Amino acid sequence: KAGVTQTPRYLIKTRGQQVTLSCSPISGHRSVSWYQQTPGQGLQFLFEYFSETQRNKGNFPGRFSGRQFSNSRSEMNVSTLELGDSALYLCASTLTGEGYGYTFGSGTRLTVV
Amino acid sequence: AQTVTQSQPEMSVQEAETVTLSCTYDTSESDYYLFWYKQPPSRQMILVIRQEAYKQQNATENRFSVNFQKAAKSFSLKISDSQLGDAAMYFCAYRSPPESGGSNYKLTFGKGTLLTVNP
Repeated sequence: KAGVTQTPRYLIKTRGQQVTLSCSPISGHRSVSWYQQTPGQGLQFLFEYFSETQRNKGNFPGRFSGRQFSNSRSEMNVSTLELGDSALYLCASTLTGEGYGYTFGSGTRLTVV
Repeated sequence: AQTVTQSQPEMSVQEAETVTLSCTYDTSESDYYLFWYKQPPSRQMILVIRQEAYKQQNATENRFSVNFQKAAKSFSLKISDSQLGDAAMYFCAYRSPPESGGSNYKLTFGKGTLLTVNP
């Protein structure tokens, strides 16, 4: 069974540019979440999608957005990149209901220069 | 809002020995879920163990076990017979129950504990 797939693995962008990250969840998982991981702030929740609907959003500026497609694949977009957006972006998927654990991908390392 | 605290930024253990990683949390909810995740240098977060708050029995997965003290809001991870492959960053995480609505749809993480295993 394939795991959570995130592309690309690494990305270097310039300040002011925009970036789109992709996540394919485990087959059958309809809930997809995104997290930002930095040395200073640790792991912070960005947003969660289920059946193409955003159900929860973390405390991030509007430059951070996402969407989910009918096949449960998800993308997140960051516009007008800032140096502080440099981070590891992790995607996770889970079965819905109860307290199942999340399965994470290997992340996308974004560097903003 | 729920918070998760891991008070040990770094820990070390000798191979084959036992180590305990600490985690405390703050919540007003009576039912919730707790997790320990491991993040090796490969970056992928791996679920180590899961505990449901309404279950008094401590969860166990092979060499990994937890000491769940609900009243004290404590959730420590014990790793027995430590192996070199256990070296990683360990994160404690909290998830609200389904009836909480939006809060159920995310994990709240602690800052992590970096575990070093010495040969």
